[in-house]
Amino acid sequence: DVVMTQSPLSLPVTLGQPASISCRSSQSLVHSDGNTYLNWFQQRPGQSPRRLIYKVSNRDSGVPDRFSGSGSGTDFTLKISRVEAEDVGVYYCMQGTHWPLTFGGGTKVEIK
Amino acid sequence: QVQLVQSGAEVKKPGASVKVSCKASGYTFTSYGISWVRQAPGQGLEWMGWISAYNGNTNYAQKLQGRVTMTTDTSTSTAYMELRSLRSDDTAVYYCARDWLGSDDAFDIWGQGTMVTVSS
Repeated sequence: DVVMTQSPLSLPVTLGQPASISCRSSQSLVHSDGNTYLNWFQQRPGQSPRRLIYKVSNRDSGVPDRFSGSGSGTDFTLKISRVEAEDVGVYYCMQGTHWPLTFGGGTKVEIK
Repeated sequence: QVQLVQSGAEVKKPGASVKVSCKASGYTFTSYGISWVRQAPGQGLEWMGWISAYNGNTNYAQKLQGRVTMTTDTSTSTAYMELRSLRSDDTAVYYCARDWLGSDDAFDIWGQGTMVTVSS
């Protein structure tokens, strides 16, 4: 199975400051069709996960442009340019290239 | 609007079975599949398996093989996940999500979650 390793585990951030979450996979996420199926999800307390980013860097409709995804191969990053109070929650990366699909362990973003 | 609506919370005894439903609306059900994901209390997300609503093909997580069955009813646009021989560590919120490899829509829509509690 592909192991997805996220860091840090916890990320205290000052409002208005940037935040960055790393996600590394144990093998390349480039699919035989040429796409890289790496998603990012936000889960606010008591809510279902919400997809923010798909295929590494494509932002979902309605997702603020302060969220951005980047990376390639085995190394990926989610960045929040200026953290707002509503960004508090747990963020997960997930690979959809290899069966079984696997998630990172999550990064908890909180306000300092 | 596009949505997945799941069945309500369940309380089961160890050794019993549970069947959770996930009703789709607002899109062509058979053009996608459904993945099931669970989350134990205070823990992360765990993918359980996937079913094609087009032809019923399935792919299950190895650790659940033999205990889980995923099915669909295309007449009602509903997906089902049955888990048997329940144990206390199956206590979790169970989510369904729209999924299709290669589609930009994979995991874009999630159900509200179904809490399954396994307790004697």
